[in-house]
Amino acid sequence: NAGVTQTPKFQVLKTGQSMTLQCAQDMNHEYMSWYRQDPGMGLRLIHYSVGAGITDQGEVPNGYNVSRSTTEDFPLRLLSAAPSQTSVYFCASSYQGMNEQYFGPGTRLTVT
Amino acid sequence: AQSVSQHNHHVILSEAASLELGCNYSYGGTVNLFWYVQYPGQHLQLLLKYFSGDPLVKGIKGFEAEFIKSKFSFNLRKPSVQWSDTAEYFCALGGYQKVTFGTGTKLQVIP
Repeated sequence: NAGVTQTPKFQVLKTGQSMTLQCAQDMNHEYMSWYRQDPGMGLRLIHYSVGAGITDQGEVPNGYNVSRSTTEDFPLRLLSAAPSQTSVYFCASSYQGMNEQYFGPGTRLTVT
Repeated sequence: AQSVSQHNHHVILSEAASLELGCNYSYGGTVNLFWYVQYPGQHLQLLLKYFSGDPLVKGIKGFEAEFIKSKFSFNLRKPSVQWSDTAEYFCALGGYQKVTFGTGTKLQVIP
């Protein structure tokens, strides 16, 4: 089992560019989520999905889009990158939303 | 709404000292509680979890935590820390459809 995988590991964007962060899991988890981690602020939930075709907003959804066409994949799209989106992004999955989360290795994004 | 508070932002201890990190939560329903650890440059890993039953739960690497419902607390403890415990520790609350994390406590253990 690869667990939760994320690509890329590092990315530099210019303001206004768009990109997609990829996340995949091979544990057949129904629940997947995206967090951003910023110093002193812990992990903040961006979007989550309780199953294929179902997504919902978390705490900080503005500027991000998600979709869930399969159980395995949950990509995060930055529509028009801003310096405030410079952060480390973690994807996680679990059997249910309130259960133990399994995290991917993270993507470090810098927006200049 | 659900929330988690970690009051210690940065803790510095000498090796062999005892550790207690505070965590308080706010949620009106049944809770699942977690402690995660993040070693430098790595992703979060589960230390321990509480779903129900014995309020004193034991995790990996000698860590334990006690759920005190009346105080809405889930403090993390370790009797004797090691240099390798240097990391950031996150308390988390599993509520309806999501897990909410605290802001984290950075632990620095001095040899």
